[in-house]
Parts: sequence; structure tokens; C-alpha cells
Amino acid sequence: NAGVTQTPKFQVLKTGQSMTLQCAQDMNHEYMSWYRQDPGMGLRLIHYSVGAGITDQGEVPNGYNVSRSTTEDFPLRLLSAAPSQTSVYFCASSPLTVNYGYTFGSGTRLTVV
Amino acid sequence: GNSVTQMEGPVTLSEEAFLTINCTYTATGYPSLFWYVQYPGEGLQLLLKATKADDKGSNKGFEATYRKETTSFHLEKGSVQVSDSAVYFCALGAGSYQLTFGKGTKLSVIP
Repeated sequence: NAGVTQTPKFQVLKTGQSMTLQCAQDMNHEYMSWYRQDPGMGLRLIHYSVGAGITDQGEVPNGYNVSRSTTEDFPLRLLSAAPSQTSVYFCASSPLTVNYGYTFGSGTRLTVV
Repeated sequence: GNSVTQMEGPVTLSEEAFLTINCTYTATGYPSLFWYVQYPGEGLQLLLKATKADDKGSNKGFEATYRKETTSFHLEKGSVQVSDSAVYFCALGAGSYQLTFGKGTKLSVIP
């Protein structure tokens, strides 16, 4: 049981480049989300999804796109990377019930130069 | 709206000391409450939870009691170890499947 798998673990991008952060879960969770973690800022929600074909914006969605074509996968796309997007990114999933809590991936550390 | 306030860190303790990390919340209705732990270089892991008032969540020697009257969910451990050094996040879920997180408290335990 792998849980939530994020790839890559580390990435360096040049300003203006695009890339996709991958997230996959094998627990058949309906809910998936992306957070970024910055020093002193805690976790900030970027985008989330409550099922295949359904996505919505979180607190800091600008510069990021998502799609959810299957229950298992929820990739995060950076269209034109900026230094302000240097951060650690976490994917999380859960059933559609607040009592369960989230399962997090191990994170992707992204540096934009 | 929902919010979680944690004590600011960092917190530095000697091994075997008693730990308390304060967490208070604001929420509509009756939220579920969670503590997550993040070890260096890793993702967040669920440490314990409580889903109704007066419930006590416990795991790995850590405990927290859901106090509705004081809107609190303080994390405690009687004797910390070096291996407990991590960042601890309090979170709540109220009215939906989404969680609201505190900003985290960094704990360092020295031998």
C-alpha cells in the first residue's frame, strides 16, 4: 500500500520554464489537494478536487493549473515558473469525510532560479 | 470562518522533559480536531485526532483532549525524546472535508 506518491522529490527550474508535479494515490480517495509550504507561512492550499473531473481553487491558485482525469492522479502544472514559486509542495488525499484526516505525500522541493 | 492558533515556536526541551503545545480554534458547529507531525525532510503524518467534545486522542505517548468549553486541543507528552524533534501542526475540520491548519510549532529536543 503506497499511499500518496509524489514525483519528483527535487526539481530546479529556470524562470519561465514549465513543469508538472505528479501526485498519485492508491486508496480510492475522492478528495485530493495541493499545498505549498513556505517558512513562517504554514500550509497554503493551492487547488483541490472532490472527484474525477471536478477541481476548484484554494487560497493561492495563481500560476498553477490542475486537472483530475482519474480518481488516482492529481497533477499540478506550473505554466511559467517564477522565483516566488520556490517552495515545498505537498499533495494530500482523503475520503469525503472530515473525520478521517488527510494522507500526505512526502513532498516535492522546487527551486526556481 | 474557521481558524487555528498554535503557540509560536521554536520550542527547545531537554530529553525527558514534559511537552505542551497549545492549540486553540475558532469554528462553526462541532469540528473534528487533529494533530499532525512533520519530521525533517518528510511529509505530514497524522499523529492523533478527536472527533467530538471530551474525546482524548493518543498515539506514541502523545495526548490531546478536545475541550469545547475552552475551544482548545493542546498536545502533551510526559517525557520527550530526541526522536520527537519535528514540526507539529494542529488542524480542524468543520462543515466539510477540508482541513484548516495552524502555522506549525517546531520542537527541538536536546540530549
